[in-house]
Amino acid sequence: GENVEQHPSTLSVQEGDSAVIKCTYSDSASNYFPWYKQELGKRPQLIIDIRSNVGEKKDQRIAVTLNKTAKHFSLHITETQPEDSAVYFCAASKPNFGNEKLTFGTGTRLTIIP
Amino acid sequence: NAGVTQTPKFQVLKTGQSMTLQCAQDMNHNSMYWYRQDPGMGLRLIYYSASEGTTDKGEVPNGYNVSRLNKREFSLRLESAAPSQTSVYFCASSDPGTSVPQYFGPGTRLLVL
Repeated sequence: GENVEQHPSTLSVQEGDSAVIKCTYSDSASNYFPWYKQELGKRPQLIIDIRSNVGEKKDQRIAVTLNKTAKHFSLHITETQPEDSAVYFCAASKPNFGNEKLTFGTGTRLTIIP
Repeated sequence: NAGVTQTPKFQVLKTGQSMTLQCAQDMNHNSMYWYRQDPGMGLRLIYYSASEGTTDKGEVPNGYNVSRLNKREFSLRLESAAPSQTSVYFCASSDPGTSVPQYFGPGTRLLVL
C-alpha cells in the first residue's frame, strides 16, 4: 500500500519568515495530494490540495509544489504569522473508481516565534 | 449550517463496554468517513461510506462496526471496547464528486480503561 513520510516532525520559524514542510510518497499511481491544518485541540481543516497534472498551486500565503518524478510534494508558507502555528498533515491518494482512500503523513508541528 | 457534528465530545469506558459514536452532516454530502487519531500516527481511516446504504472498510476496521442510517448520519460502534481503542475519533464528509475527507467534525475523545 501507499506510504507517506513527512519531514520535519517539528519546525520553529521566526514570525515573518517562510516555512517548508516536505512529504514523500511511495505509490507512483497516487494523483491527489491534500494538506490539512490542525490547531491544538481542534479538528483538521483542508487548506490546499494539488493533483498530479499540476506542478504548483498557490492560495495567498500558502503554496504546494509537486515533483512526480521524485515522488515528493511540499507545503510552503510565506510571511508566517502566529495563527499559522498548528500541526500540518500531508496526505496522498490514488484513483480507485470513487473509492479513493487517503494515506496521511505523521504530521509536522509548526511553531511561529513572535 | 452546522456542518459536521459529533456526539459525545468525551467518553470514558471500561474494557468490554460498548458504545456508539454519532455523526451527522447537514451539507447533503454523499461520502462520510470515520478516522482515529493517535499521537505520532496521523489519521487512520476506520470505515468509509460512499453513499446511503453502503459502507467499506478502511485501514483499521477491526473492533468497529458502522451504520449509515440515512444520508445525514453515520455512526461508529465499539461492541467490546479495548484500551487500544483509546483515541480521538473524527467523522468527516466530502462534497459530491469528491471521495476524500474535506470537512471534519469536532472529534470525540475516548478513553478506555
